[in-house]
Amino acid sequence: AQTVTQSQPEMSVQEAETVTLSCTYDTSESDYYLFWYKQPPSRQMILVIRQEAYKQQNATENRFSVNFQKAAKSFSLKISDSQLGDAAMYFCAYSTSGTYKYIFGTGTRLKVLA
Amino acid sequence: DSGVTQTPKHLITATGQRVTLRCSPRSGDLSVYWYQQSLDQGLQFLIQYYNGEERAKGNILERFSAQQFPDLHSELNLSSLELGDSALYFCASSVQQGVNEQFFGPGTRLTVL
Repeated sequence: AQTVTQSQPEMSVQEAETVTLSCTYDTSESDYYLFWYKQPPSRQMILVIRQEAYKQQNATENRFSVNFQKAAKSFSLKISDSQLGDAAMYFCAYSTSGTYKYIFGTGTRLKVLA
Repeated sequence: DSGVTQTPKHLITATGQRVTLRCSPRSGDLSVYWYQQSLDQGLQFLIQYYNGEERAKGNILERFSAQQFPDLHSELNLSSLELGDSALYFCASSVQQGVNEQFFGPGTRLTVL
């Protein structure tokens, strides 16, 4: 069965600094997708970034980038120039073309210190 | 605003009762997914519908059921409610039955007393 693990329940970062959130997953599939979602106190789920497993190039969205290591089944999120508005729960999610459902990790709470 | 709407936003009810949660997907989206998020937990997949048909099922309790109507809105029915059913219930939609991005609604917070 596919699983997603986020081993950091909570992380803190100083404003303007860089932080990396970890995510590992387990799958026997070769075709799959990985996502990072942000959940602020409003509880809205907001897509931060996505990565297709067949793409070797790491995805980047402005200050957010991923380090996708397929062989190691690792998918970490790097947030550069952290801002107070980045404070939220961050969830890593996995999906395959076979099932379409998302499998979520347990989340990492990110605190941004002024 | 994702374009996915969910009603009601909050629901408070008693054990043993039955409730219905409603979701309207984004215009043009055929696929609807339901997820449950218990306090400070990740989201757990419940069920998926595509163009009116059930396509995938997660660890959904037998007391829970869902359907997608011809106008593509979906309802999640929770019956014989227990305290442990208190959670945030999210609906998400995507364009087609594929691994496209899922757009999440704001959620319905259910409190069972």
